[in-house]
Amino acid sequence: AQKVTQAQTEISVVEKEDVTLDCVYETRDTTYYLFWYKQPPSGELVFLIRRNSFDEQNEISGRYSWNFQKSTSSFNFTITASQVVDSAVYFCALSVRETSGSRLTFGEGTQLTVNP
Amino acid sequence: DAGVTQSPTHLIKTRGQQVTLRCSPKSGHDTVSWYQQALGQGPQFIFQYYEEEERQRGNFPDRFSGHQFPNYSSELNVNALLLGDSALYLCASSLDPLAGLPGELFFGEGSRLTVL
Repeated sequence: AQKVTQAQTEISVVEKEDVTLDCVYETRDTTYYLFWYKQPPSGELVFLIRRNSFDEQNEISGRYSWNFQKSTSSFNFTITASQVVDSAVYFCALSVRETSGSRLTFGEGTQLTVNP
Repeated sequence: DAGVTQSPTHLIKTRGQQVTLRCSPKSGHDTVSWYQQALGQGPQFIFQYYEEEERQRGNFPDRFSGHQFPNYSSELNVNALLLGDSALYLCASSLDPLAGLPGELFFGEGSRLTVL
């Protein structure tokens, strides 16, 4: 069975601060995929990134960066110079390849509030 | 290009009633998944449809059923509603994940169901 843990329920920062959202995962599969999604108040989940288990290279996309460490089963997400528009709930998710399809196992989410 | 659309956006039902939620996937997508998101929690996988068949199912009772139509749109039906069924129901579309890498899911804004 798969499990994703996001220990930080809520984080509050002031605009322009850097913030890191933690994600720890559990799986016995050697091939798996990790995701981050953003959920604004409108409700829809917005895809941010997908990483596969064979690619531990960190990734940067504008103000966003992701740190994947298999040794600690972590896939952390950092927002640099946060902005008010970054306020949302962020979910980390895990998927493994199954013969019948694929499903995402989500963490409980981290509510990020960026104050002006 | 229309994204994933869901209807209705909000609805209120009473215990014991039945509800049908509808989803139109993003253009070009052939796979539809449904997730239940209780307040303050991460989405939980209900089931996935591909080629009009349920391909995968999460840990949900038989009261939850679905259907996919030839145009790839989908319905989620819940019978004998319980108070605990109150949640945001999210539909997500994708290309067939078995055809390659599990693709990113495109989510709709959800249908918020309240059971009184």
